[in-house]
Amino acid sequence: DAGITQSPRHKVTETGTPVTLRCHQTENHRYMYWYRQDPGHGLRLIHYSYGVKDTDKGEVSDGYSVSRSKTEDFLLTLESATSSQTSVYFCAISEQLGPGNTIYFGEGSWLTVV
Amino acid sequence: KQEVTQIPAALSVPEGENLVLNCSFTDSAIYNLQWFRQDPGKGLTSLLLIQSSQREQTSGRLNASLDKSSGRSTLYIAASQPGDSATYLCAVSEWGGGADGLTFGKGTHLIIQP
Repeated sequence: DAGITQSPRHKVTETGTPVTLRCHQTENHRYMYWYRQDPGHGLRLIHYSYGVKDTDKGEVSDGYSVSRSKTEDFLLTLESATSSQTSVYFCAISEQLGPGNTIYFGEGSWLTVV
Repeated sequence: KQEVTQIPAALSVPEGENLVLNCSFTDSAIYNLQWFRQDPGKGLTSLLLIQSSQREQTSGRLNASLDKSSGRSTLYIAASQPGDSATYLCAVSEWGGGADGLTFGKGTHLIIQP
């Protein structure tokens, strides 16, 4: 299994509060991703990173920000949590680009916004 | 915009049967296609990756085929077992090898009855 740790694994928070989810990898992979998974929508990309301090938006980036100050850590911040951000969040990593490259997922972080 | 569709959404079969899961995608300019398995409350595990230049990949009882021109892939599971019960997702990476992750289908929820 790829060395990916997400924290916290479960969190309940109130509407309007900021929340930060952390993804830590021990694989030294260049690319890191944050997805959310919702019934009826499948997995959708929020933000991704292609190196330290290099990030870009995905399909559903509104209301989220990210930071990557070290190769091993990729943080996802909900600046002011809303009920629509209740979801399961997955971090993923990949070593390089190319047709033979695969992507590895963390175990997920369950977030409930009440 | 790439769209990935998986049929059926759910499938329940008795143990021992051979079965086929289907995945279709709208834009044939893909880099690769991956099949993932997701167990309840867990992350995704990559099962098979087919590069755009390949026609199929095999791993144990699993065989995945790719027909890029028609926008289709199938995952064949031979001699199904109760331990195969999970949600199976396919995902495509689009041409250019961009770092913006994968486009996922919504998955097929598979139950193998003992």
